[in-house]
Amino acid sequence: DTGVSQNPRHKITKRGQNVTFRCDPISEHNRLYWYRQTLGQGPEFLTYFQNEAQLEKSRLLSDRFSAERPKGSFSTLEIQRTEQGDSAMYLCASSTVSGGTEAFFGQGTRLTVV
Amino acid sequence: GESVGLHLPTLSVQEGDNSIINCAYSNSASDYFIWYKQESGKGPQFIIDIRSNMDKRQGQRVTVLLNKTVKHLSLQIAATQPGDSAVYFCAENGRSGGSYIPTFGRGTSLIVHP
Repeated sequence: DTGVSQNPRHKITKRGQNVTFRCDPISEHNRLYWYRQTLGQGPEFLTYFQNEAQLEKSRLLSDRFSAERPKGSFSTLEIQRTEQGDSAMYLCASSTVSGGTEAFFGQGTRLTVV
Repeated sequence: GESVGLHLPTLSVQEGDNSIINCAYSNSASDYFIWYKQESGKGPQFIIDIRSNMDKRQGQRVTVLLNKTVKHLSLQIAATQPGDSAVYFCAENGRSGGSYIPTFGRGTSLIVHP
């Protein structure tokens, strides 16, 4: 499978714990995006990387959230001190050069904070 | 059947009918638009795209129309099938802080009755 891969698919955690998600983009894609999606809403942009550089961060990305893409390949999204409001689907997407190319999405990681 | 996008989030049609899903976008500088289909528990899947120098593009059973004057997109699905049941999102690649970020609308749920 050469699509975008996300792990884990599901994560249940207790409030206050830290969680980390991984995204493996399509290999030749230099752009990688993280989105958050809650029930009944469209995906909301969190942050994106071009190669290893994090170029944009949404105001949704509080200081408890951090994302990395250390070698310009896979990326991780960490949430520290999780809150119940963090419960959502976290989607990763990748694309080639900027502007007019589609972003391919992974299947997402469903986070439930209890 | 016809949807007015954000004002009518659910569209119900009979199998075999044509469906029209509408979307209003916000950024007049957006120059690339994508329709995604999202099935329950899965990530968004690319359907069709269109650049701002076009007003119509056709795919297999799908047609996207773009009206830049009123910032409006529509997705037409011919001979709708039960497998078309999903939530449909339009996304615009608008510039944000110097970068192109796919930005999603709220989505329309399409329900196809056999």
